[in-house]
Amino acid sequence: NAGVMQNPRHLVRRRGQEARLRCSPMKGHSHVYWYRQLPEEGLKFMVYLQKENIIDESGMPKERFSAEFPKEGPSILRIQQVVRGDSAAYFCASSPETSGGSGEQFFGPGTRLTVL
Amino acid sequence: DAKTTQPTSMDCAEGRAANLPCNHSTISGNEYVYWYRQIHSQGPQYIIHGLKNNETNEMASLIITEDRKSSTLILPHATLRDTAVYYCIVGKGDTGRRALTFGSGTRLQVQP
Repeated sequence: NAGVMQNPRHLVRRRGQEARLRCSPMKGHSHVYWYRQLPEEGLKFMVYLQKENIIDESGMPKERFSAEFPKEGPSILRIQQVVRGDSAAYFCASSPETSGGSGEQFFGPGTRLTVL
Repeated sequence: DAKTTQPTSMDCAEGRAANLPCNHSTISGNEYVYWYRQIHSQGPQYIIHGLKNNETNEMASLIITEDRKSSTLILPHATLRDTAVYYCIVGKGDTGRRALTFGSGTRLQVQP
């Protein structure tokens, strides 16, 4: 069973360009979470999605950032008109549909975004 | 979610037990204690969680005080690969369905 997959692993963009980060959850998982880690800082929650629905976007910047998790395909975190302050590691995590269990979230390897 | 307090850093000799403390004095009755770790820029990894009773799995043991205001994560025989930042997180059950609130964590350095 493959783990959470993220691509690309490294992404370089110039200021003003768009960045699209992809996350494929573990098989059977329908809950996806995005976290951001700025250099030398801890992880900060951004958004929590289920298939076709945004459940909690309280950590998402109000402008330029959007996320989706379509019925088919990976979850996408989209950053429009990137600025240097967007340079960070972006981690995706997934969890299964059923409640209970260990409450564990399974994390991907992350996408390192560098804005020049 | 309750706030947690952890030491900034700790050292441990390879092969010895690593004991990582966490204070969560404002924890409420239905909140769990979760531990994750992040090994050098990799994605965080779940270690263990508990509510009231002490817990043990193949990775670690979790000791929760009777008043639940603090806990200790124990790595019984630390190896160099256990060098990482360890995060103690308190939240309501089923954090598999909710956002995790990461603090600053404890940077554990296992020394050869």
